[in-house]
Amino acid sequence: QKEVEQDPGPLSVPEGAIVSLNCTYSNSAFQYFMWYRQYSRKGPELLMYTYSSGNKEDGRFTAQVDKSSKYISLFIRDSQPSDSATYLCAAQKTSYDKVIFGPGTSLSVIP
Amino acid sequence: EAGVTQSPTHLIKTRGQQATLRCSPISGHTSVYWYQQALGLGLQFLLWYDEGEERNRGNFPPRFSGRQFPNYSSELNVNALELEDSALYLCASSLVQGPRRSGANVLTFGAGSRLTVL
Repeated sequence: QKEVEQDPGPLSVPEGAIVSLNCTYSNSAFQYFMWYRQYSRKGPELLMYTYSSGNKEDGRFTAQVDKSSKYISLFIRDSQPSDSATYLCAAQKTSYDKVIFGPGTSLSVIP
Repeated sequence: EAGVTQSPTHLIKTRGQQATLRCSPISGHTSVYWYQQALGLGLQFLLWYDEGEERNRGNFPPRFSGRQFPNYSSELNVNALELEDSALYLCASSLVQGPRRSGANVLTFGAGSRLTVL
């Protein structure tokens, strides 16, 4: 079993829709949870991260972590065509540790 | 400020050959990470170097090796290339500041080196 799992998609939504991207993880020692975005032919870039359980909002993006169910979510409001990319969730046990990535979900926002 | 730079952008090799990939971290970053991104498999952790030392290694055979130089740049070597080594190899850097640092370890990635093994 992979440590971090996510549905690879592809996911296709109309412009303006609310997008929900989800991951599950198996290692209860994970404390830091991150979302990276990767455009075609580019390296991943950090969108946001959370520590332990809870929500974090940054503009149109909201990250949610539920440690009791080992569930990580990213919500995108008012989705734009520029949001079309692969979204990777990631987790880390401590700040001095490797970062484990999920396989990524491919998202297309159709104008 | 220059980001993480990787070279070469593309590399074509044949089975059994060796490949060397290079990475220059962001100025001031002491940690370098290598990931393999093969089609459909996501980012697989390969190696982590910090302050010139190998800190962690992923589940890859010993023919994947690397090193970090005094200027914190890094090299990934893949010996005895196999067809399944064809992938995008991503390097990332961060400023970890040791085991007592709090906060997530934010990685900044380069654009990757595409290795094709024929």
